[in-house]
Amino acid sequence: QQQVKQSPQSLIVQKGGISIINCAYENTAFDYFPWYQQFPGKGPALLIAIRPDVSEKKEGRFTISFNKSAKQFSLHIMDSQPGDSATYFCAASLSGSGYSTLTFGKGTMLLVSP
Amino acid sequence: DVKVTQSSRYLVKRTGEKVFLECVQDMDHENMFWYRQDPGLGLRLIYFSYDVKMKEKGDIPEGYSVSREKKERFSLILESASTNQTSMYLCASRETTGLNTEAFFGQGTRLTVV
Repeated sequence: QQQVKQSPQSLIVQKGGISIINCAYENTAFDYFPWYQQFPGKGPALLIAIRPDVSEKKEGRFTISFNKSAKQFSLHIMDSQPGDSATYFCAASLSGSGYSTLTFGKGTMLLVSP
Repeated sequence: DVKVTQSSRYLVKRTGEKVFLECVQDMDHENMFWYRQDPGLGLRLIYFSYDVKMKEKGDIPEGYSVSREKKERFSLILESASTNQTSMYLCASRETTGLNTEAFFGQGTRLTVV
């Protein structure tokens, strides 16, 4: 049972455009929603994260939008650059537990064309 | 600079061999995780550990075991490697205190079973 569904599987965006990746979750107890960025040959690294008590979080060109009632959250990359080309994973987690695990989406391969 | 180090970047093993993948973290984190990453399937949790000598099965534990004799070291063991275990393996560690804590990943071990 996939608890976090991510779309699209791949995305091509022109330089300067907006990249949008969407995720939906099922477990309403999740209370931490990070996005990870992975470059080829590297492990994933935290990009930005949000808790459900806010509807949006922005860090530079990266914004998470969160819709608690719809159980959806999305990553927006403004002014996309070729250096943003990577695989992006959304994830969800339960806090308040000594051993909470991250449940990941299947990933989105983003290619930003020059 | 925080670091999760996996002992090998690339491994080639024969079917039936016993394989050890080693992971060391220098952040004094309680939680450590092993994921496998396959195209189109994202990151799937194999096992995790929340304390020394403690382990919990993840979503796909079959064919794997783990060992955590010291806090900083978490080993993944393939008892009898099979070709369907050819994959990228990622180790991660995470703090338990605090609500929203970042998971730090190693660079991955690409295992090929022939």
